[in-house]
Amino acid sequence: QSVLTQPPSVSGAPGQRVTISCTGSSSNIGAGYDVHWYQQLPGTAPKVLIYGNTNRPSGVPDRFSGSKSGTSASLAITGLQAEDEAHYYCQSYDSSLSGYVFGTGTKVTVL
Amino acid sequence: QVQLVQSGADVKKPGASVKVSCKASGYTVTSHAMHWVRQAPGQRLEWMGWIIAGSGNRKYSRNFQGRVTITSDTSASTVYMELSSLRFEDTAVYYCARGWGSSEQNWFDPWGQGTLVTVSS
Repeated sequence: QSVLTQPPSVSGAPGQRVTISCTGSSSNIGAGYDVHWYQQLPGTAPKVLIYGNTNRPSGVPDRFSGSKSGTSASLAITGLQAEDEAHYYCQSYDSSLSGYVFGTGTKVTVL
Repeated sequence: QVQLVQSGADVKKPGASVKVSCKASGYTVTSHAMHWVRQAPGQRLEWMGWIIAGSGNRKYSRNFQGRVTITSDTSASTVYMELSSLRFEDTAVYYCARGWGSSEQNWFDPWGQGTLVTVSS
């Protein structure tokens, strides 16, 4: 079951801003559980981009930012670069499933 | 630096079991939860469960209840994930990842390099 829903793909030209939505429900994001975001480059393990809704680990460029409101969250990438072409996943906790859940994933394409 | 190194790829027949290891270095394995996440080819990430090494505390996803067992050997700084009654659809890359944050608010960092498990007759 897909508990957190993301758009399958987003695209933008270099330098543009793109956003990725993550839509949940009252048992996960809407219940106050934090949202975290990961970037997965082809053939590699995921890497955390945003944790605790809005926090960037050291080493992650400030072009990446996160936000959360109600039952949804968003990841914004400003100043899009070629190396940002990857899959992005949101993640949270779901109380009705009593476990962690991931989003459906979004492929970002740099035109 | 913190590193998680997993065992190599494996091929199993349907109905068999597979055990994947994850050796931690650069930190004390008992200080953080260790999670297991899998990714079938072209599919999204799927959380399987976690353990706090050495404590006996563990929890499994309902999707794998009864088929997955996560254990640890603190003397070897290693966590194991065993999946039984394998099906073709269990073919996936299996990742271990260290958990951060409070209970039910964990995020995962870093991740192991992944272990490809192929179920084939």
